[in-house]
Amino acid sequence: NAGVTQTPKFQVLKTGQSMTLQCAQDMNHEYMSWYRQDPGMGLRLIHYSVGAGITDQGEVPNGYNVSRSTTEDFPLRLLSAAPSQTSVYFCASSYSPRIPEYFGPGTRLTVT
Amino acid sequence: AQTVTQSQPEMSVQEAETVTLSCTYDTSESDYYLFWYKQPPSRQMILVIRQEAYKQQNATENRFSVNFQKAAKSFSLKISDSQLGDAAMYFCAYRSANRDDKIIFGKGTRLHILP
Repeated sequence: NAGVTQTPKFQVLKTGQSMTLQCAQDMNHEYMSWYRQDPGMGLRLIHYSVGAGITDQGEVPNGYNVSRSTTEDFPLRLLSAAPSQTSVYFCASSYSPRIPEYFGPGTRLTVT
Repeated sequence: AQTVTQSQPEMSVQEAETVTLSCTYDTSESDYYLFWYKQPPSRQMILVIRQEAYKQQNATENRFSVNFQKAAKSFSLKISDSQLGDAAMYFCAYRSANRDDKIIFGKGTRLHILP
């Protein structure tokens, strides 16, 4: 099992550019979620999904879109990047919707 | 609103000794989950231990155990026989059992292991 994989590991964007952070898991978990981690802080939930075709907003969803067309993949889209979105992004998957258990290695995003 | 407080920004412990990391939380709910996560320098978050609030028994995972005091809203993590690989940032987190859209993390405690 590869677990939870994320690509890219690092990305630099200019303000206004768009991009997609990829997340995939091979554990057949129904629940997947995206978080951001800002310096000196814990994680904050951006969006989550309880299964293919079902997504919902977390605590800080503004500026981000998600979709879940398959159980395995849960991409996060930044539509128009802003410096405030500079952060480290983590994807997670789990059996239980309330216990984030398996995390990807993270994507460090810098928006200039 | 729920909050999670980790009052120790940094701690150090001698290898093979025992260390306890503190976490307090505030909530008006009765049904919730508490977690401890480890974030080593590799940056990947690892779930160390979890506790359901309705369970009175303290959770244990090998060298990691918690002291869950529901009335005091305290959830400390004890690491026994500390190893060099335990050096990391440790985050305490709270999640309501009744909602999916939020999980609250503390600011973390950086743990150093002294050889």
